[in-house]
Parts: sequence; C-alpha cells; structure tokens
Amino acid sequence: GAGVSQSPSNKVTEKGKDVELRCDPISGHTALYWYRQSLGQGLEFLIYFQGNSAPDKSGLPSDRFSAERTGGSVSTLTIQRTQQEDSAVYLCASSLQNIQYFGAGTRLSVL
Amino acid sequence: AQSVTQPDIHITVSEGASLELRCNYSYGATPYLFWYVQSPGQGLQLLLKYFSGDTLVQGIKGFEAEFKRSQSSFNLRKPSVHWSDAAEYFCAVDRGSTLGRLYFGRGTQLTVWP
Repeated sequence: GAGVSQSPSNKVTEKGKDVELRCDPISGHTALYWYRQSLGQGLEFLIYFQGNSAPDKSGLPSDRFSAERTGGSVSTLTIQRTQQEDSAVYLCASSLQNIQYFGAGTRLSVL
Repeated sequence: AQSVTQPDIHITVSEGASLELRCNYSYGATPYLFWYVQSPGQGLQLLLKYFSGDTLVQGIKGFEAEFKRSQSSFNLRKPSVHWSDAAEYFCAVDRGSTLGRLYFGRGTQLTVWP
C-alpha cells in the first residue's frame, strides 16, 4: 500500500523566500507529525496533529514556521522568510496505534 | 527532561560479525520504545517496537531488541551483520500519552566492512 508521501523531495531557495512543504499521510491515519533532521541538532519534533484536536505546536522553532492540515489528511509546513539555519531535512510521519511511519523527507537548502 | 541516549556515534563491524547498538532513556514510567533505520536519502524505516509483554522483541531484517527496565535500556542486536545493514540507526521513545511525539537519540552510524 502507499506510504507517507512528501513533496518536493528537494527544495533549494534563497534566503528570505517562503517555502511550502507537503505531506500526504497514509490513508486512515489520524495523527500526523513533522520533524526536522539536521546535522547539529539530530531529529527534532516540530508539530503534531491528532484528528480534530488543536495541534501541538510546541516544537516550532520560531513564528516563521507554521503548519496546517486540511480535511484531516494532507498537511503543509510553511517556512516564511527562510534563513540559512533552516537548511535541513524535513520529515513527515503519520501514525496509527502509536506507530509512526515516515516519509522520505524534503531536503531544504537555503542559499 | 525526557532524553534518549545512544552512546556510540559510529560503529564499524565486519560482515558476519555480531552487532549490538545501545540505547538508554530517562523517563519515570515505561514508555513505548522503537528502533528505526535510515539509509542515505531515505526516511526512517521501523525495525521493531516494544509496548509491553515479552521483553525480547523481534523485528525485520533479523534484528531483535531487549528491554531491560532496571537499566532503562533497549539495545538492538543482530547475530550476523550483512553489508546491506550499513545505515544510521535511531532509538526512539514515545511516552505513550496523548502527546504522541517521539523523542529520538542522536543516532548510531553503522559501517560494515566486507
């Protein structure tokens, strides 16, 4: 069956530009997570959506980061006014019964 | 604070040798425990998980892990490593609450010599 799909797989942008990263979770999974993976920080939690509940945004590093999940399915992570320190791999996961399944990630490079 | 420790940043083993990757966590209760593997340019693939019950759990690709409550450890093992096992391995903890997020160790990079 289809796994978690993320697009684009790679994104190169200029400092100061906005970017949108997309995540299509596994059908039927009610929970969706975003993580960031960088050399210096390892794997960091960003945000978590569970059903219709308010998202847990406690991991977002600044107000330049936001995410939404439409219709309980697709999610978009938006980074405004990108900075070089935003360069990382952004991983999305969806979950059923406490098991998280990850997408291949989006590699973001901010020049 | 919640933490997951993988003390070995990089391990090198010969093909056919046994492997043990260490993971310790700090948390009062018994969380849900996971091992994931990541190959270059790929996402995280679940190897195995522990929720409760038998403390020795079997996973995919011939891996197993043992939960030891007294040591707050969840070490990953494989009796005979294959060259295709070269990858980065992450231990992760879920507190089992509605919060749901995973706490990850910093990862162990495995190199396999032919």
